[in-house]
Amino acid sequence: EPEVTQTPSHQVTQMGQEVILRCVPISNHLYFYWYRQILGQKVEFLVSFYNNEISEKSEIFDDQFSVERPDGSNFTLKIRSTKLEDSAMYFCASGADPEAFFGQGTRLTVV
Amino acid sequence: GQQVMQIPQYQHVQEGEDFTTYCNSSTTLSNIQWYKQRPGGHPVFLIQLVKSGEVKKQKRLTFQFGEAKKNSSLHITATQTTDVGTYFCARLSNFGNEKLTFGTGTRLTIIP
Repeated sequence: EPEVTQTPSHQVTQMGQEVILRCVPISNHLYFYWYRQILGQKVEFLVSFYNNEISEKSEIFDDQFSVERPDGSNFTLKIRSTKLEDSAMYFCASGADPEAFFGQGTRLTVV
Repeated sequence: GQQVMQIPQYQHVQEGEDFTTYCNSSTTLSNIQWYKQRPGGHPVFLIQLVKSGEVKKQKRLTFQFGEAKKNSSLHITATQTTDVGTYFCARLSNFGNEKLTFGTGTRLTIIP
């Protein structure tokens, strides 16, 4: 069964450092997403990506965040200067109507 | 924004008892999806409902979409320990591959 894969599974970083979270979506999907989930809370939309550009982003997705699809398979989320409040589980997802397939997530801990 | 609220926030049931979670929106929904997230896991798609009054069943799970398309429910009959997790409803912003707005979730724990 095809799946979305994310690396690393856990990332610890110092406040102010840049992090790149990586995802390999399901190959024939057209829409890609990043969501985050602060511990014990609901899943929040960050950004959607279609046809090599951002199609929608939330107010959380400020100038510190960026996404890229550097090649045909990878989809990355960069946080330029991490803050303590960026600590969360980050899920990548890819879409095939109607279902969104989520990766296992990257737990980001900012210290 | 268009929030989707769920109740209850937590539910503890004895194994074998039934469980229901409710999802409510102040605005009409074009569709509603349900996801299950096991402890430490990721959201997994269960179902999508699009029609007013729609009812769908998956084994012991029954999903309903309200007549006014402002609420939905998930009912589990005779819970098992494998049902443990958080159940989220989610609204797809357009009827296509756009963003999901998740509800607040109901965390189900089972007492063996």
